[in-house]
Amino acid sequence: QKEVEQDPGPLSVPEGAIVSLNCTYSNSAFQYFMWYRQYSRKGPELLMYTYSSGNKEDGRFTAQVDKSSKYISLFIRDSQPSDSATYLCAMSGNTGRRALTFGSGTRLQVQP
Amino acid sequence: NAGVTQTPKFRILKIGQSMTLQCAQDMNHNYMYWYRQDPGMGLKLIYYSVGAGITDKGEVPNGYNVSRSTTEDFPLRLELAAPSQTSVYFCASSYSLESTQPQHFGDGTRLSIL
Repeated sequence: QKEVEQDPGPLSVPEGAIVSLNCTYSNSAFQYFMWYRQYSRKGPELLMYTYSSGNKEDGRFTAQVDKSSKYISLFIRDSQPSDSATYLCAMSGNTGRRALTFGSGTRLQVQP
Repeated sequence: NAGVTQTPKFRILKIGQSMTLQCAQDMNHNYMYWYRQDPGMGLKLIYYSVGAGITDKGEVPNGYNVSRSTTEDFPLRLELAAPSQTSVYFCASSYSLESTQPQHFGDGTRLSIL
């Protein structure tokens, strides 16, 4: 069993839809939760991070962490074709060695 | 505004050949990382460095070597290429080891070993 599970998609939605992307994890030591966006043929770029449980909002993006269920989500409101990319969740347990555990990524396609 | 630069972008190697993947950053970051990304598997950490002259193994270091003689450069060496090393390799750097500090990634080197 992978330490972090993420549905690979592809997830196809019409422009303007609300998108929900999710990851589940098994390691209860994870404290930091991140979402990276990766465009085709490019490196990942950090989109949002959250510490421990709760919600964090940044423009059209909301990250949600439920540690009791070991479940994290990224919501995208008013999705745009430019949001079409692969979204990777990443987690770490402490700030020491900075070892990030990545999910395999969900490919999102927003249709105009 | 270069950030993290990786060369080459693509490479095909024969089994048993060797090569060096180059990585350079111009952000004066002390921390640098090498990952590989396989289809459906996410990114796996190969090696990382916390400063010039200091490197350490990550999750999947076998078959690779690194060196860090300057703050800017962090090359990854494959000595005896094997088909299992076919992957996309990403170099990244960060200001600190704090998880809240973003890792800045290059655009990757796509390596095929035949």
